Amino acid sequence: QVQLQESGPGLLKPSQTLSLTCTVSGGSINSDNSFWTWIRQPAGGGLEWLGRIYRSGSALYNSSLESRLAISVDTSANHFSLSLKSVTAADTATYFCARAANKFDYSGRRLGQTFDDWGLGILVTVSP
Amino acid sequence: DIQMTQSPSSLSASVGDRVTITCRASQSITNYLNWYQQKPGKAPKLLIYAASTLQNGVPSRFSGTGSGTDFALIISSLQREDFATYYCQQSYSSPRSFGQGTKLEIK
Repeated sequence: QVQLQESGPGLLKPSQTLSLTCTVSGGSINSDNSFWTWIRQPAGGGLEWLGRIYRSGSALYNSSLESRLAISVDTSANHFSLSLKSVTAADTATYFCARAANKFDYSGRRLGQTFDDWGLGILVTVSP
Repeated sequence: DIQMTQSPSSLSASVGDRVTITCRASQSITNYLNWYQQKPGKAPKLLIYAASTLQNGVPSRFSGTGSGTDFALIISSLQREDFATYYCQQSYSSPRSFGQGTKLEIK
């Protein structure tokens, strides 16, 4: 079980760029079957998957944010990052980083993908 | 994109009760359905994957059922520590999506 820790600014103004980093410890970001993910949750609201990146640098984004979002990975520093441009009040949320992994049964059949390990979350507020 | 709809949105129950939370997908997701528990101020915790497989360390009073578009999370005998918000999540396709959550409260 790896540990993840989000870091970054807690307060931004509208139109600024949000930059967050997730530092991975207790394991390598280069490990197989680990997909490094960002998820956010507005106060009192539900969970929104933002995107994920693999060790190779291959990224997948939620289409609702794709024009503003970039996720990168730094394998030498064992961390991955999120950049969200042109933020508005609607981007105010707690941002979680997480490790997703494929699950398999005893015969090797894939059983889907789960978010196994999570950071504590970081509250980001966008306000003038 | 696949939409996930949970019901009810909130539920009041007592210790010892049997509780069922349902989740419906907007299209078939076979059994690529996970359930998470979230307590206030904490990150979600994986309970069940592949619709019915219990994650290691999760008490056996939790169970899951369903396939295709309709799924359920069952807690056989509620314990005090089970009062939390529960989310279903599909891993059939990207973007991954969650239900809106079911808040389980003490009656």
